[in-house]
Amino acid sequence: KQEVTQIPAALSVPEGENLVLNCSFTDSAIYNLQWFRQDPGKGLTSLLLIQSSQREQTSGRLNASLDKSSGRSTLYIAASQPGDSATYLCAVPSGGGATNKLIFGTGTLLAVQP
Amino acid sequence: DTGVSQNPRHKITKRGQNVTFRCDPISEHNRLYWYRQTLGQGPEFLTYFQNEAQLEKSRLLSDRFSAERPKGSFSTLEIQRTEQGDSAMYLCASSLRELDTEAFFGQGTRLTVV
Repeated sequence: KQEVTQIPAALSVPEGENLVLNCSFTDSAIYNLQWFRQDPGKGLTSLLLIQSSQREQTSGRLNASLDKSSGRSTLYIAASQPGDSATYLCAVPSGGGATNKLIFGTGTLLAVQP
Repeated sequence: DTGVSQNPRHKITKRGQNVTFRCDPISEHNRLYWYRQTLGQGPEFLTYFQNEAQLEKSRLLSDRFSAERPKGSFSTLEIQRTEQGDSAMYLCASSLRELDTEAFFGQGTRLTVV
C-alpha cells in the first residue's frame, strides 16, 4: 500500500530565504509525482508534475526533483516571498491498476515572514 | 475554459439533512475524481468516473454517499442523512485518461454539519 510522508509538517522562514520541502513515498513504482499548493480554505493548485522518467522539473522559482529508487522528491523554492505562504502537498498515483487516483501526504505548512 | 468548477463553495446544513454538490470538470477531461479533506490532512480519494462510468469507490464512501456523472459531463455528489463527521472539504479533480497526466482540482465545497 502506497504511503506518502512530508517533512517538515510546518516551516517558518524569513523572506528571501531558499528552502526545501521533502516528500517520501513507499512504493517506487509510480508514473509521476505532483506537487500542489493549497491556500487556507481553498482548493489545490497544481505546481509541478514530474514524470517517472524525469529527475527534475522547473517552473519559475520552483524546482522539483524526483529520485524513484530512494522514494523521495524535493521541492526547492528560491528567494521565498510572503506570497509563497501556503500548504504544499505532494501526491503520487496509487500503485497499479488503471486508475490514477492520487495518494497525498499531509502537507507542509509554509509561512514566509516579511 | 476556466478550469474545474465546484458549487456551492460553502454549505452549512443541519444533521440529518441531505446535501448535493456539483462539479464541472475541464471540458476535454474524461476522468473525474472526488476527494475529501479534513483539517490538517491531505485529500483522500472517494470515487472516480471515466466518462459516465463510476469505476472505483473508496471504502470511505458509505452507503449514504452517492455520486453520478450523467452523460460524462458534470458530476454530483450527494450525502444523505448528514452526520457531523461528514464535515470536511469536498474536492473535485479532473484529468485526461492517460495514467501519466496532470490532475487539476476545483476550489472545493466546504461542508459544515451542525
